[in-house]
Amino acid sequence: GIQVEQSPPDLILQEGANSTLRCNFSDSVNNLQWFHQNPWGQLINLFYIPSGTKQNGRLSATTVATERYSLLYISSSQTTDSGVYFCAVESVGVAETQGGSEKLVFGKGTKLTVNP
Amino acid sequence: DAGVTQSPTHLIKTRGQQVTLRCSPISGHKSVSWYQQVLGQGPQFIFQYYEKEERGRGNFPDRFSARQFPNYSSELNVNALLLGDSALYLCASSLIRRADTQYFGPGTRLTVL
Repeated sequence: GIQVEQSPPDLILQEGANSTLRCNFSDSVNNLQWFHQNPWGQLINLFYIPSGTKQNGRLSATTVATERYSLLYISSSQTTDSGVYFCAVESVGVAETQGGSEKLVFGKGTKLTVNP
Repeated sequence: DAGVTQSPTHLIKTRGQQVTLRCSPISGHKSVSWYQQVLGQGPQFIFQYYEKEERGRGNFPDRFSARQFPNYSSELNVNALLLGDSALYLCASSLIRRADTQYFGPGTRLTVL
């Protein structure tokens, strides 16, 4: 099955710093999402971005589908940005004989700590 | 509009017992998926249901089962609980079956003693 690798696994920043999180995947995808998991476990949608670039406030994301990677940029980080960031993908190669299910495969996440 | 809701929020069971977790999708969403997240790992896919039919199953034993009701809500059942079933169980809904944004609920934290 498709493999998803996220880097770095841990990141510690001072408030106000910028950061880049990376997600590499091993196959073509028709769904790629970035999530932020808060300390209570809630997975919060950040971006649905199987290709291209999107921006939402201090966050932006870019997916280069042909090179099989995605980047999440956080600018002017705040303490509330702390948590675990997950990249999740759905492979194009999931066959209809398998029901064509929307199975998201998650990376292991990047744990971000923003200190005041 | 309300987001994805799950119940209960926390649950403590003992080995060998059975548990039922519940999920209500976002209004209008017809696809519901279940994921298991153990501590320190990313969520792992368990099931997807679309239009009340099972559309996908992850690598989980037959002790895990699920169903989707006519109102698109869903239940996840786990029989003969093991210590290793302790995890956060997440439900996600989406409008269509594939290539669509999935929205996650707050999860049910299951502890098996």
